[in-house]
Amino acid sequence: QQQVKQSPQSLIVQKGGISIINCAYENTAFDYFPWYQQFPGKGPALLIAIRPDVSEKKEGRFTISFNKSAKQFSLHIMDSQPGDSATYFCAASPWSNDYKLSFGAGTTVTVRA
Amino acid sequence: DAGVIQSPRHEVTEMGQEVTLRCKPISGHDYLFWYRQTMMRGLELLIYFNNNVPIDDSGMPEDRFSAKMPNASFSTLKIQPSEPRDSAVYFCASSLGVGYQPQHFGDGTRLSIL
Repeated sequence: QQQVKQSPQSLIVQKGGISIINCAYENTAFDYFPWYQQFPGKGPALLIAIRPDVSEKKEGRFTISFNKSAKQFSLHIMDSQPGDSATYFCAASPWSNDYKLSFGAGTTVTVRA
Repeated sequence: DAGVIQSPRHEVTEMGQEVTLRCKPISGHDYLFWYRQTMMRGLELLIYFNNNVPIDDSGMPEDRFSAKMPNASFSTLKIQPSEPRDSAVYFCASSLGVGYQPQHFGDGTRLSIL
C-alpha cells in the first residue's frame, strides 16, 4: 500500500488562484519531504522540499506547510499560472542508508486562463 | 549539462519478447534508480544502485525483471519474457549522495506490450 496518501486526485483552478494539495503519512521515520512536478511526456522534477525541523518553506509562488504532530504536509501554489498545469507528487523518505522515496499517487492541476 | 538519458523513448513489442531499457545517469552521480509509473499503481521504485552495486531490488515485480549497472555511466533494465501487464512508463533517476539530495529523472521509456 502507499505509504504517502495524497489528495485531491485532480483540481482545476482559475489563473491567479491558489492550488492546495495535501499529503499524509504514517511512518514516523520519514524526515525528508520533497515535492516533484511532472509535465506530460517528461520525468518528475524536484520542485521544493522540506525537513521536519521547520513548519514552512517558501520558494517563489510555491510553499510547503508541514505539521509534524499531524503527520501531514501540503503544497500551496499561489497566483497559479497556466504554466503550472502539471501533475504534482508528494514524497517522503527517511534520512538513512535506506534511501528510498515513497511517492503519493499524484495530483493533476489544471490552471484555466 | 546533460541530464539523465533514457533510450528508447518508446517501445512497442509483442508479448513474450525480450525488452531492454537503457539509462545513462548524470556524470558523477553515485546513485541510480529505476521506477515504473502506471495509472493504477503510480510511481513504484523497482531497484536502486549505489556505486554500480544493487542495494535494494525488493520492488522488482518478478524474476522476469532484471537490472544491471556494468559501469558508472550505464544501466539496463531487462524484461524477459514480456507480458501485457508490463506496459508502463519506466523512469531512470540518478542522484549524488544520500539524504536530502534530489533525484534527477530521465524522460522515461513508454513501453507497450501487445
